[in-house]
Amino acid sequence: QIRLVQSGVEVKKPGDSVTVSCVTSGYNFANYDINWVRQAPGQGLEWMGWVSGYNGHTQYAQDFQDRIAMTTDTSTRTATMELRSLKSDDTAVYYCARAPNSITPFDNWGQGVLVTVSS
Amino acid sequence: SYVLTQPPSLSVAPGQTAKISCGGLDIGRKNVHWYQHKSGQAPALLSDVLSDRPSGLPERFFNSNSGNTATLTIARVEAGDEADYYCQVWDSQTDHWVFGGGTKVTVL
Repeated sequence: QIRLVQSGVEVKKPGDSVTVSCVTSGYNFANYDINWVRQAPGQGLEWMGWVSGYNGHTQYAQDFQDRIAMTTDTSTRTATMELRSLKSDDTAVYYCARAPNSITPFDNWGQGVLVTVSS
Repeated sequence: SYVLTQPPSLSVAPGQTAKISCGGLDIGRKNVHWYQHKSGQAPALLSDVLSDRPSGLPERFFNSNSGNTATLTIARVEAGDEADYYCQVWDSQTDHWVFGGGTKVTVL
């Protein structure tokens, strides 16, 4: 059974950083990318970027390029997303989602993690 | 950057047909993917990039794409179809994924 299990709720202050992890199982980690998508309250889905499970290569959305980092650990089958310099409008549910490559859609998703940014 | 436009909401009676549009420049030349997002759950992929028929879903769901509009059709709508629906494309100009704004489908 394919599973993507994300870390728990986070509460941060403006200017902080947050790290969200995504532990995977049930498939060959190296054969898939992990994408990160967020949904702010009352808003739609927003793609943040992807990281390759094979070699750790990344592609970030323009809006996050200067304050995001996505990594993988093949030994633990874990993908991690760090977002820095948090602002209140970074409050959102953050999802990881796997895809066979960078141009194929996301066929399995994590459960999502609520990150709240508030002073 | 590439923009996808969806109607914010759509109301439909049980048993009727829902048509959810997704507008984008020459979207007919792109592979369009659809996601169903129910409240409190993770989004779920509806459409298969290789076919027009969503895989693993009832045959009530249909996907079409031509010109500047892609459409997800849900036939014989049921209460369980109530969700937000998002279209998505890969923008090869920017190497970015793009989502539409989402359409909230309410079953009356």
